[in-house]
Amino acid sequence: NAGVTQTPKFRILKIGQSMTLQCAQDMNHNYMYWYRQDPGMGLKLIYYSVGAGITDKGEVPNGYNVSRSTTEDFPLRLELAAPSQTSVYFCASSRSSGNTIYFGEGSWLTVV
Amino acid sequence: TQLLEQSPQFLSIQEGENLTVYCNSSSVFSSLQWYRQEPGEGPVLLVTVVTGGEVKKLKRLTFQFGDARKDSSLHITAAQPGDTGLYLCERYGGSQGNLIFGKGTKLSVKP
Repeated sequence: NAGVTQTPKFRILKIGQSMTLQCAQDMNHNYMYWYRQDPGMGLKLIYYSVGAGITDKGEVPNGYNVSRSTTEDFPLRLELAAPSQTSVYFCASSRSSGNTIYFGEGSWLTVV
Repeated sequence: TQLLEQSPQFLSIQEGENLTVYCNSSSVFSSLQWYRQEPGEGPVLLVTVVTGGEVKKLKRLTFQFGDARKDSSLHITAAQPGDTGLYLCERYGGSQGNLIFGKGTKLSVKP
């Protein structure tokens, strides 16, 4: 009964470092999403994917990259981390547009 | 724009009180979802409302979709500390991946 699994849960990065947030779902969902959530700012879409091999930018894609080589996995890469990327990151998935979205438990990232 | 405005932004009440939070948009939407997010976790879907004027109940939670499908409300009766969390509304923006979230109402219910 895993649903959407994100790793790591917590991470501290130094400015300029790179890292990858992992996301996997076991529901055979076509759509996957990465959001960031900042206090008082709601959820902002970073990137999304409508299927393996297809990705597209969301509202705030700068400083991030994604790939979707399989239906199950949707990793988010941060290159040259900046303090502005300190946030909580949520991966989510849905069967298709307009269907229920299932969220992971979040990854807390601090860039110092 | 297709922003969703949620109010109030913060709400702190005592156990047993009733409350209503709102989600408004300037444009019509075909459906709207309400989520609750507890501290340290991801949002969890509570309900989807689709039809104008629709009312759905989930135990002590009552969700209403406005007749014009531009607004929605969530009413909690006899709030409990377990209701504490961030309540988010979300609508489908009409294109792939375009899911629009409100900024949420942060509810604190004190025993």
